[in-house]
Amino acid sequence: EVHLVESGGGLVQPGGSLRLSCAASGFTFSSYTMNWVRQAPGKGLEWISYIGSSGGPIYYADSVKGRFTISRDSAKNSVFLQMKSLRAEDTALYYCARQYSYDSNGLDVWGKGTTVTVSS
Amino acid sequence: QSVLTQPPSASGTPGQRVTISCSGSSSNIGRHYVYWYQQLPGTAPKLLIYRDSLRPSGVPDRFSASKSGTSASLAISGLRSEDEADYYCATWDDRLSGWVFGGGTKLTVL
Repeated sequence: EVHLVESGGGLVQPGGSLRLSCAASGFTFSSYTMNWVRQAPGKGLEWISYIGSSGGPIYYADSVKGRFTISRDSAKNSVFLQMKSLRAEDTALYYCARQYSYDSNGLDVWGKGTTVTVSS
Repeated sequence: QSVLTQPPSASGTPGQRVTISCSGSSSNIGRHYVYWYQQLPGTAPKLLIYRDSLRPSGVPDRFSASKSGTSASLAISGLRSEDEADYYCATWDDRLSGWVFGGGTKLTVL
């Protein structure tokens, strides 16, 4: 069965850092582009980052560019999101979602998310 | 403000048909497939429609979608109480080099 499991969320002070992980199972990880999408409390979905199946290309939303870094480890079937200089507005539920690299199937599987709270 | 524009709310009674619109531009909907997601309360988004109008296996045929130019729409027929959820449209945006989502439409089944 296909699974994406996010972890690494928590409470962090403004200006702090956090590293999120997303562990994939049940599918050929190397065939999928991976994305991070977040949802602030009571708000809609906001895409924040994309990494191609081989580690590139990499894209970021303007709201996180220069502060967040996406990476992946094929040996661990995992994708990561290193977040620094965190702000209150980064408080959200962070989802990872897969995207088949060779067809237009969209973000077809999502994890349950991990919560990041930025507060003093 | 979202790149894709959806009405914030929609409603209908059981058995009715409701539609949700999604408006974009030439850099997103005008060039790329539209996807629709259903988010039930307290859960992760679920892919409802892909490539403008296709349903993944397991999605009832009560859900349908279409696209024309820079706009798209989702239709739900035979409305059921379990359809009460937030619905999001999404697509790729060439100008932003990223996925863009609509602001979401909260569907209430009266």
